[in-house]
Amino acid sequence: GESVGLHLPTLSVQEGDNSIINCAYSNSASDYFIWYKQESGKGPQFIIDIRSNMDKRQGQRVTVLLNKTVKHLSLQIAATQPGDSAVYFCAERGGGFKTIFGAGTRLFVKA
Amino acid sequence: DAGVIQSPRHEVTEMGQEVTLRCKPISGHNSLFWYRQTMMRGLELLIYFNNNVPIDDSGMPEDRFSAKMPNASFSTLKIQPSEPRDSAVYFCASSLLGQTNSPLHFGNGTRLTVT
Repeated sequence: GESVGLHLPTLSVQEGDNSIINCAYSNSASDYFIWYKQESGKGPQFIIDIRSNMDKRQGQRVTVLLNKTVKHLSLQIAATQPGDSAVYFCAERGGGFKTIFGAGTRLFVKA
Repeated sequence: DAGVIQSPRHEVTEMGQEVTLRCKPISGHNSLFWYRQTMMRGLELLIYFNNNVPIDDSGMPEDRFSAKMPNASFSTLKIQPSEPRDSAVYFCASSLLGQTNSPLHFGNGTRLTVT
């Protein structure tokens, strides 16, 4: 029979609207955080990163916010497009070089 | 630029057979990571190398799994003998660790099905 899999949170947005994807991280010693986008049949693709000495970083159409007090990370996508539909993962790196991934959020963009 | 290259893209094998997955990291990167992705457990780190030396293999599930990195441009992940529960997508990633910001760069994975 089928095994129970991870139930990915899903965010559904209208094309042109802004998207906000949230992530809670676990290790207070983590000092580097990364957002990845994964499309079907492909590996995770780097979007944007931020170090723990910053609380905001902007890229092209994307912004990452870091709140170390509550161990929270968010990814904002401006003017969401159908091509943004994918699974988004936050990842953290603490002592050593291990990058640990969250469970992911599925973003669905309605045309 | 060529990214991380993995082969094969798909592998179907019978239980008990040996499986070898291959990875060529991005030229100039000094670290290589093997991840496994399943619906049940998400993305799990299996092992990583720095300068061709295995640093942390605590994520390798069992002795049936082994990984090697004989040189800076090649790594293998071997499963012997394979079991149906090994079915997953296996990703290789590389990075230039030591820089301030050093995200992982992933290949497109090998989808392994063990029947």
